[in-house]
Amino acid sequence: DTGVSQDPRHKITKRGQNVTFRCDPISEHNRLYWYRQTLGQGPEFLTYFQNEAQLEKSRLLSDRFSAERPKGSFSTLEIQRTEQGDSAMYLCASSPFSFENTEAFFGQGTRLTVV
Amino acid sequence: KNEVEQSPQNLTAQEGEFITINCSYSVGISALHWLQQHPGGGIVSLFMLSSGKKKHGRLIATINIQEKHSSLHITASHPRDSAVYICAGGSNYKLTFGKGTLLTVNP
Repeated sequence: DTGVSQDPRHKITKRGQNVTFRCDPISEHNRLYWYRQTLGQGPEFLTYFQNEAQLEKSRLLSDRFSAERPKGSFSTLEIQRTEQGDSAMYLCASSPFSFENTEAFFGQGTRLTVV
Repeated sequence: KNEVEQSPQNLTAQEGEFITINCSYSVGISALHWLQQHPGGGIVSLFMLSSGKKKHGRLIATINIQEKHSSLHITASHPRDSAVYICAGGSNYKLTFGKGTLLTVNP
């Protein structure tokens, strides 16, 4: 399978705990994106990497959120001190070029439930 | 006001019907993406277009740049087409998503 892979698919955590999600993009893609999607809404942009550089972060990404892409390949998204409002689907996508010229390739997402 | 607006939000059709989903977008968007999301699943890209029309099987996407409007058509709809269809405006690294259209095709 050479698509975008996310792990885990589902995560249930207690409020206040830290969680980390992983995304493995398509290997040739140097651009990687994280989105958050809540029920009934379209995905919202969180952050964007080009290779290992984090070039853009949304205001939605509070200080409790951090994302890394240390070697320009896989990426991790960590949420510290989770809150119930963090419950959502976290989607990762990758692309070889900008969205003006190429499609986005999405993973299956990680569904986070904070109890 | 969202930069990308879709209509309708919900659509129910009978198998075989011709379906149209509409999308309007604001300035600053260079390409329009149509995506499909099944319940509980990830998102699959259907089309990316910046002009004209594209066709893939029973799916057709059109865009009118002057009017900043795009449509997704499904011919001879089938229950397996039931999903959320999302349009998104593409600009450099950014995709601005509409809220999606929930399509249900009944047999």
